[in-house]
Amino acid sequence: KAGVTQTPRYLIKTRGQQVTLSCSPISGHRSVSWYQQTPGQGLQFLFEYFSETQRNKGNFPGRFSGRQFSNSRSEMNVSTLELGDSALYLCASSLQGPRFNEQFFGPGTRLTVL
Amino acid sequence: DAKTTQPNSMESNEEEPVHLPCNHSTISGTDYIHWYRQLPSQGPEYVIHGLTSNVNNRMASLAIAEDRKSSTLILHRATLRDAAVYYCILSSNTGNQFYFGTGTSLTVIP
Repeated sequence: KAGVTQTPRYLIKTRGQQVTLSCSPISGHRSVSWYQQTPGQGLQFLFEYFSETQRNKGNFPGRFSGRQFSNSRSEMNVSTLELGDSALYLCASSLQGPRFNEQFFGPGTRLTVL
Repeated sequence: DAKTTQPNSMESNEEEPVHLPCNHSTISGTDYIHWYRQLPSQGPEYVIHGLTSNVNNRMASLAIAEDRKSSTLILHRATLRDAAVYYCILSSNTGNQFYFGTGTSLTVIP
């Protein structure tokens, strides 16, 4: 069974630009969650999508958005990038959601904002 | 969101049991207790989760206090590959953000 995949693995952008990250969950998993990891703030929950609907949202500004497609693949978008958005962005998939099932994490996308 | 408290770091000798504590005094009756770990340069990895009763799986055991205000992750025989940051997380059925916290950094001494 293929694991969670994320593309791209590395990305360099400049301030003010926008970026889209992609996540393909494990086949059959309907829940996809996104996390931001930085040395200073640790692992922070961004949002969770389930069956194309955002079900939970963390404390991030509206510049961070996401969506989920009918095949459960998910994208995360960050607009008007700031230096502080440099981080490792992780997505995780689970059958019904992180509350009830184990999450499987992808390798992450390393975003650097210059 | 319900929060957890864990020691910043712990050490264990290889091949000995490890007991990783977690306090969650504000836990509600429907909050699940989850444990994940993150090895260096890797994404988090699921370890175990439970609601009220103690749980066992191939990786570890989860011991939940009777009042549910604390729990302990038990690694029965630590190996060098168990060196990681261990996160104790609570999840609720309302507005859950799956808050990871700072975790416990476990060092395994050969």
